[in-house]
Amino acid sequence: KAGVTQTPRYLIKTRGQQVTLSCSPISGHRSVSWYQQTPGQGLQFLFEYFSETQRNKGNFPGRFSGRQFSNSRSEMNVSTLELGDSALYLCASSSEGSTNEKLFFGSGTQLSVL
Amino acid sequence: AQSVAQPEDQVNVAEGNPLTVKCTYSVSGNPYLFWYVQYPNRGLQFLLKYITGDNLVKGSYGFEAEFNKSQTSFHLKKPSALVSDSALYFCAVRDGRGYSTLTFGKGTMLLVSP
Repeated sequence: KAGVTQTPRYLIKTRGQQVTLSCSPISGHRSVSWYQQTPGQGLQFLFEYFSETQRNKGNFPGRFSGRQFSNSRSEMNVSTLELGDSALYLCASSSEGSTNEKLFFGSGTQLSVL
Repeated sequence: AQSVAQPEDQVNVAEGNPLTVKCTYSVSGNPYLFWYVQYPNRGLQFLLKYITGDNLVKGSYGFEAEFNKSQTSFHLKKPSALVSDSALYFCAVRDGRGYSTLTFGKGTMLLVSP
């Protein structure tokens, strides 16, 4: 079974641009979560999607958005990029997103904003 | 709001010695606790979880964790460290509500010297 796939692996953007990151979950998984990882803050929860609906949302500004498609693939978008958005963005999937389930993580997209 | 504290940014241990990576948590109701490990340039991998039952939980790669409700702690342990255990370790917590989000600590870097 293929794992969680995130594309692209690396991205370099400039301030003010926008970016779209993609995540393909493990086959059969319907829950997809996104996290931002930075050295100082650890992992910060962005949002979770289940069956094309946003089920949970973290404390990030509206510049961060996401969506999920009918095949469970998910995208997140960051508009008007700021230097502080430089981070590793991790996607994780699970079957139902229920409380006792473990998450399966992708390798992440490393975003650098110049 | 739920939270996780990992008081040590880094833990150093010699190969063959026992290791402990500390974690304390705060959550409403019963906690669902997890440990994940991150190797360089990789996503997170699940190590173990505590949902209910025995306070000592055994996981992957010889790791175990001890749940202590009175101290609200969930420390990760291994009897004999390996150089290959060197990685970044994350503790995470969820409350018992259905489909609640997973909150991570900031991570502890474990360095095992030969």
